[in-house]
Amino acid sequence: DGGITQSPKYLFRKEGQNVTLSCEQNLNHDAMYWYRQDPGQGLRLIYYSQIVNDFQKGDIAEGYSVSREKKESFPLTVTSAQKNPTAFYLCASSIDNSGRGTDTQYFGPGTRLTVL
Amino acid sequence: KNEVEQSPQNLTAQEGEFITINCSYSVGISALHWLQQHPGGGIVSLFMLSSGKKKHGRLIATINIQEKHSSLHITASHPRDSAVYICAAGSGDSNYQLIWGAGTKLIIKP
Repeated sequence: DGGITQSPKYLFRKEGQNVTLSCEQNLNHDAMYWYRQDPGQGLRLIYYSQIVNDFQKGDIAEGYSVSREKKESFPLTVTSAQKNPTAFYLCASSIDNSGRGTDTQYFGPGTRLTVL
Repeated sequence: KNEVEQSPQNLTAQEGEFITINCSYSVGISALHWLQQHPGGGIVSLFMLSSGKKKHGRLIATINIQEKHSSLHITASHPRDSAVYICAAGSGDSNYQLIWGAGTKLIIKP
């Protein structure tokens, strides 16, 4: 079955620690995205990647880093510089076309990060 | 003012009722997306439309480009339709970003 997997589902971290969230897709999609969701708010884009070895900052990239060494994988690192990292993190992918927002995005199940 | 606004924020209805969720946007768009977020957090794309109307099962999505407004309708609602429904606008700026609404939380009571 094709799809997107994220791990872990729940993650707890102490203040000051970096943590990496995994995102893997086997849909052969070129574009991948990381979103953050806070209660009562819309999704906010952290980073996106159009192709391997290339990625761009979204609206709230400060305190986060990503890599795209393989087409299938787009891990997100939440660094200690992120002031308020407790949130629900969603990874998505889409078939790349013009990037004009006409792609259907396919989402992973999400990772809920809690900073203790 | 958000560029994409949904109404209502919360909606509770009885099983069988006809449901309408609204989405208004203030930007030029390339496409309007409707998505469903299950209580567990997973998000599924329901529709992508740039004009007219689309139907899938009991779900119908419409868009009026001139009025910058889209609606999602659910006919014969069922408790399993309980979820958060989200609209998002593709801005057409070639930047891969969608502009997201805050979502409408729907609860269908048996």
